[in-house]
Amino acid sequence: EAQVTQNPRYLITVTGKKLTVTCSQNMNHEYMSWYRQDPGLGLRQIYYSMNVEVTDKGDVPEGYKVSRKEKRNFPLILESPSPNQTSLYFCASSLRWGGGNQPQHFGDGTRLSIL
Amino acid sequence: RKEVEQDPGPFNVPEGATVAFNCTYSNSASQSFFWYRQDCRKEPKLLMSVYSSGNEDGRFTAQLNRASQYISLLIRDSKLSDSATYLCAVGPRVTGGGNKLTFGTGTQLKVEL
Repeated sequence: EAQVTQNPRYLITVTGKKLTVTCSQNMNHEYMSWYRQDPGLGLRQIYYSMNVEVTDKGDVPEGYKVSRKEKRNFPLILESPSPNQTSLYFCASSLRWGGGNQPQHFGDGTRLSIL
Repeated sequence: RKEVEQDPGPFNVPEGATVAFNCTYSNSASQSFFWYRQDCRKEPKLLMSVYSSGNEDGRFTAQLNRASQYISLLIRDSKLSDSATYLCAVGPRVTGGGNKLTFGTGTQLKVEL
């Protein structure tokens, strides 16, 4: 089954404790992206990756890091989490970077609470 | 002005009603348009792409108005199961702009008996 898989689904942790949210897709998609969703603000892009070893900042990259060493994986790293990073996070992928008219397919989401 | 704007609702409609949502976008060079459906606390799921000529999928019709820079979603004969938040997403030029989608904050629909 074609899917985008995120782990963990839920995490409660404390300020400053490094964490990684994994994202994996099995559709051989080139493009992957991370979003956070907050009430009243909608989905905001954190980082995206056009292909292996090619990443770039989205609209709200501060406090996050990503890597794309393999095509299928795109982990999101919070080196020193803070309470304002408490949010619902989604990973998404699409077939290619360019060419237009390409919908993105989302993972189930990860709900992070930073205390 | 936000890049993509939607009326947050909620739209409360009786079962069987026809309901329409609009989504306005500010970048006139935008070329890709989508409607997503999101159930509470779940991931957005693609409902339909929006093509220049308009397109229909069962009870759902999507249209694009480039002159006024908005897309619309029409739901006919609404069902209780249509209750959800509907997100519009707008993408850049076909060439050069990559695949960044900008999402609206969503319109909440509640279909009632």
